Amino acid sequence: DTGVSQDPRHKITKRGQNVTFRCDPISEHNRLYWYRQTLGQGPEFLTYFQNEAQLEKSRLLSDRFSAERPKGSFSTLEIQRTEQGDSAMYLCASSDPGPRNNEQFFGPGTRLTVL
Amino acid sequence: AQKVTQAQTEISVVEKEDVTLDCVYETRDTTYYLFWYKQPPSGELVFLIRRNSFDEQNEISGRYSWNFQKSTSSFNFTITASQVVDSAVYFCALSGTGANSKLTFGKGITLSVRP
Repeated sequence: DTGVSQDPRHKITKRGQNVTFRCDPISEHNRLYWYRQTLGQGPEFLTYFQNEAQLEKSRLLSDRFSAERPKGSFSTLEIQRTEQGDSAMYLCASSDPGPRNNEQFFGPGTRLTVL
Repeated sequence: AQKVTQAQTEISVVEKEDVTLDCVYETRDTTYYLFWYKQPPSGELVFLIRRNSFDEQNEISGRYSWNFQKSTSSFNFTITASQVVDSAVYFCALSGTGANSKLTFGKGITLSVRP
């Protein structure tokens, strides 16, 4: 049982550029979550999917952010026109559909630096 | 709205000391879950425990123990005989049930265990 994987692990970009991150959940986990963590803070919820349906989006998720999970497996998070305030660690987590369905297992994260 | 408060920001102990990490939460839900995660210097969040709001039994796992008290809305975590490998940031988190499964994290406690 491989864990949650995220790609890339690090991304450096210039302000105004678009970036896309990928998350592969644990196999057969039907829920997938995105969080953002800035330095010295706990992770903050961005959005989550159950299978391919996006069920909740945080107000943190401005219209520059979009997430997809087209086939209910991997997910992508795109940030358009990046700003310096977008610099953070972007974490993905997944949980399974069984009785322990809210135990979320996290990937290693994608660290974004916007110059 | 849900809220998690970890009033301690940094704790430093000498190896073999016991240490307790405090967590206080707020929620209007009658059913909810509480969690502790560990984030070592490598950055990946590691799941430690989940506790259901109906189960106030304390739990012990090796050197780790958790004290859940609904009356004071607290879910404290004790490490007995701390070791250098316990050095990490520890997060307490709260979620609802069903579709309200997103995690609300506290700001984390940085634990340093000195040899």
